[in-house]
Amino acid sequence: GIQVEQSPPDLILQEGANSTLRCNFSDSVNNLQWFHQNPWGQLINLFYIPSGTKQNGRLSATTVATERYSLLYISSSQTTDSGVYFCAVEVAGFQKLVFGTGTRLLVSP
Amino acid sequence: KAGVTQTPRYLIKTRGQQVTLSCSPISGHRSVSWYQQTPGQGLQFLFEYFSETQRNKGNFPGRFSGRQFSNSRSEMNVSTLELGDSALYLCASSGQVNTEAFFGQGTRLTVV
Repeated sequence: GIQVEQSPPDLILQEGANSTLRCNFSDSVNNLQWFHQNPWGQLINLFYIPSGTKQNGRLSATTVATERYSLLYISSSQTTDSGVYFCAVEVAGFQKLVFGTGTRLLVSP
Repeated sequence: KAGVTQTPRYLIKTRGQQVTLSCSPISGHRSVSWYQQTPGQGLQFLFEYFSETQRNKGNFPGRFSGRQFSNSRSEMNVSTLELGDSALYLCASSGQVNTEAFFGQGTRLTVV
């Protein structure tokens, strides 16, 4: 099956710093989503981005489907950005999301 | 528009018992998927239902089962609980094929 790798696994930042999270996947996908898991476990939707670039406030994402990777950019990080970020992909015909192992982000004041 | 609702939020069960978890999708969404999250295995797909039909199933034992009702609400059942079934169970709903999935708050199951 498809493999999804996220890097780095852990990231520690000072408040105000910028960061880039990466998601590599091993096969063609027709859906890619970025999530932030809050301390209570809920997955919060950040981006639905099978291809192209999107921006939402301090966050932006780019997916290059032909090269099988996606990037999540966090600018001017805040302590509330702390948590685990997941990339998930869906392969055509499989009706399921395959998740990466996540990037654990800690933003210190 | 209400989001995905999962009940109960927390559950403690004893080994050997069975448990039923419920998921109400976003109004108008017909696809419901279930995922298990554990520290060791990460987020793993359990099964997906669309219009009351299971379209895909993950690699879990037969003790894990599910169903979807005509109003798109879904339930999953785990029989003969084992300690290793302790996990966060997440439900997602989506509209049509290849569209964005939205997750509920999850049910945290502890088996003692």
